[in-house]
Amino acid sequence: DVVMTQSPLSLPVTPGQPASISCRSSQSIVHSDGSTYLHWFQQRPGQSPRRLIYKVSNRDSGVPDRFSGSGSGTDFTLKISRVEAEDIGVYYCLQGANWPTFGQGTKVEI
Amino acid sequence: EVQLVQSGGDLVQSGGSLRLSCIASGFTFSNYWMTWVRQAPGKGLEFVTKTNQDGSGKHYMDSVKGRFTVSRDNARNSLYLQMNNLRVDDTAVYYCARDPGFSAVDVWGQGTMVTVSS
Repeated sequence: DVVMTQSPLSLPVTPGQPASISCRSSQSIVHSDGSTYLHWFQQRPGQSPRRLIYKVSNRDSGVPDRFSGSGSGTDFTLKISRVEAEDIGVYYCLQGANWPTFGQGTKVEI
Repeated sequence: EVQLVQSGGDLVQSGGSLRLSCIASGFTFSNYWMTWVRQAPGKGLEFVTKTNQDGSGKHYMDSVKGRFTVSRDNARNSLYLQMNNLRVDDTAVYYCARDPGFSAVDVWGQGTMVTVSS
């Protein structure tokens, strides 16, 4: 299976400041169709996960534009331009090119 | 409203069986792959199984092959997970989720707790 490695695993943040989470795959996750199926999820305490970003950089409807995704090949990043209190939780990357595998999760806390 | 409502979680002894259910509403269920994802207490997320639109294609994580069976009833907008020979390390919250393709799961159920005791 493709191993997804996130860093950091814990991210103390300050409201109003930017934050960034890295996700690296153990092999290229570019599908044979040319697309890269790397997605990002947020899980707030006590809630089900919620998709934020799909296919590297496409933000879901209703997701604030302070969230952005980027990257290619094996190296991907989720950025929050200005952290707000409601952003606390655990963030996961997920590759869907092969049997789906999540990163370990990054806990964002204020 | 697009929604997945789950039921069936319980406390069961090791070696026992359990069936989880997930009822979809607000979208055309038969158009989508569906998945089960689990989360052990205090741990991360892992895909358990996924099934294609008509149930003819199914994939499982290695540790549940031969023990878990995913099925669906498109007439009832329902997804199921039959879990047999349960082990302590199957203890987790189980989520059903809609998969529009390549595991980009975009709708999640509320989760249901499965606890396996020794």
